[in-house]
This record gives sequence, C-alpha cells and structure tokens, in this order.
Amino acid sequence: EVHLVESGGGLVEPGGSLRLSCATSGFDFSDAWMSWVRQAPGKGPEWVGLIKSKTYGETTDYTAPVMGRFTISRDDSRNTMFLQMNSLKIEDTGVYYCTRASGWAESWGQGTLVTVSS
Amino acid sequence: EIVMTQSPATLSVSPGEGATLSCRASQSVKNIVAWYHQKPGQAPRLLIYDTSTRAPGIPARFSGSGSGRDFTLTINSLQSEDIGVYYCQQYNDWPPTFGQGTKVEIK
Repeated sequence: EVHLVESGGGLVEPGGSLRLSCATSGFDFSDAWMSWVRQAPGKGPEWVGLIKSKTYGETTDYTAPVMGRFTISRDDSRNTMFLQMNSLKIEDTGVYYCTRASGWAESWGQGTLVTVSS
Repeated sequence: EIVMTQSPATLSVSPGEGATLSCRASQSVKNIVAWYHQKPGQAPRLLIYDTSTRAPGIPARFSGSGSGRDFTLTINSLQSEDIGVYYCQQYNDWPPTFGQGTKVEIK
C-alpha cells in the first residue's frame, strides 16, 4: 500500500523559512515523479512544483508564485522528498500535500499545515 | 495559465439520484483532465484521469467524459459517502491547474 507522510509544517513569520519532508513507502520511489500541491484555507488545490526521477535528471518545475523562493529535492536512498521554502509570505499559508504525480496526482499524503503570520 | 471553471458551485442531490458536474477550460486541454473528491479534513482523492479512466478502487458509478474545453463528471445513484467537494484539474499544460470546486450535498 502506498503511504506518503509529510512533516515539518508550523508557524513562521513573514520572510522566514521552513523545510518540509515527505517520507514514502509502498512504491518504487526512485522511479516516481513527485509533486507538492498546497491548499489555502477554503480554496481549491494549487500546484507548487514537481521533481522528476533520476532517469529524467531530477529536474524540477515550479509555479510562478513560488519560483525563486521554493526548492524541491529528493533523496532516493531514503525514499523522501523535500520542499525548502524561503522568503515566506502570508499568502503561502495553507496545507501542503506531498503527491505522487507527474500529471494527475494519484496518491496524496495527509498534508502538513504551514501558517505564515506575524 | 489555463483557468478551469466548474459549475455549479453547489449541487444538492437526493440519495440514489444522479449528479452531473461540469468543468470548462479557458483553452483546449485535449483529453488531459482529472477529477478528485475531497471530504472535509481530508486530502483530495483521485477519481478519474485522462478524462474517463477510473482510478483503482473507484466505483463504477463515477464516470468522466468530454474533450477540448468541456468536461463532465457523472455520479450515478449518489451515496452518502459521496458528499464533499469535487475538483477538476488539467495537466495538458504547465502548470497543472484546478477548478474552484463543486460542493455536493445531500438534499
């Protein structure tokens, strides 16, 4: 069974940083394209970014609101994906989901809440 | 980016009745659309991908159709566990984008 477990969320002041982790099991992580999707309170989901597998060079793509501030990485030896978030803004507040996704998001974690507030 | 517009915003359906949810893209997305169901306090769950292919474990009462700009999710014989918010999503173009959701409630 596929499991995705996010951690690292919390309360941070504007301009601060957080690093989220996503521990996975139940599938071949090294072969998977993975994504982060977030959801602001009361809103629909919003794609954050994607990281391809090693076969595809572990290249990353980001959406415009986070470009230059967020970085996705992966450690295939630990079946884990990361999201480094810098220069956080109030509008980055929301639940951050780890997903197994190249196009459609076939598996989701339970999410971790990030609150950016002074 | 491609904007996905869902209608109606809210749908009230009696148990056992059918429901039709619509999604329109701001430009053609071919057949590259997925549908998700989200219950309160839970992560979204994939229902349909590639417009009409049900994800593993999804009951046959859920079906998807459409092409180009217009897509439909049909729920036959609504069950109580089907309440929640449904989202469409295109992945034909980067970035993938979601609609704003249709809330399905029991009448």
